[in-house]
Amino acid sequence: GAVVSQHPSRVICKSGTSVKIECRSLDFQATTMFWYRQFPKKSLMLMATSNEGSKATYEQGVEKDKFLINHASLTLSTLTVTSAHPEDSSFYICSPKGSLSSGYTFGSGTRLTVV
Amino acid sequence: AQSVTQLGSHVSVSEGALVLLRCNYSSSVPPYLFWYVQYPNQGLQLLLKYTSAATLVKGINGFEAEFKKSETSFHLTKPSAHMSDAAEYFCAVSDQGNTPLVFGKGTRLSVIA
Repeated sequence: GAVVSQHPSRVICKSGTSVKIECRSLDFQATTMFWYRQFPKKSLMLMATSNEGSKATYEQGVEKDKFLINHASLTLSTLTVTSAHPEDSSFYICSPKGSLSSGYTFGSGTRLTVV
Repeated sequence: AQSVTQLGSHVSVSEGALVLLRCNYSSSVPPYLFWYVQYPNQGLQLLLKYTSAATLVKGINGFEAEFKKSETSFHLTKPSAHMSDAAEYFCAVSDQGNTPLVFGKGTRLSVIA
């Protein structure tokens, strides 16, 4: 199946700073990337859908100015949490648009802690 | 819109006992259904998927699930639990096979020695 690499796996940052999370597709071209957020002991919620070369589509309630998504190439999509606050602390996971044969793969996730 | 409901946020079984994790779906079109496992601070690993072929789907690590349209269910089972099965399990649905997955709330499986 499709292999996707997500970095960093863990990051601790101070309030007010920005953090960039990268998701790279290693063996395929990801025209679309889904970004999910997972609160502690909760399920995954879709945050946004990024498409290569165009603006991301955000789900209702997700601040597009806080969660900047860039999908500049077919192998790299990034999520930047701007001016992070403690409430942004969460587990963020990327997933390239799947197919029935690949079964939707996921990045290994990024644990963000804002102090 | 499609959705999934996982009954039981926490299931505890003894090692060697049957594992049964419940998932019911709601979809206006024939669904594509998935089960994933997540270990702490890790991403999701696909256990198995239903894509309108055989209704009994076999996955990795001895897990299987049966699609029952009449019951709108896709329960996950494993005949004999192993300590390494302790993890969080998510049922998910997609209505077109390539749209974002919609996840259930998850079921945490504990295995008691």
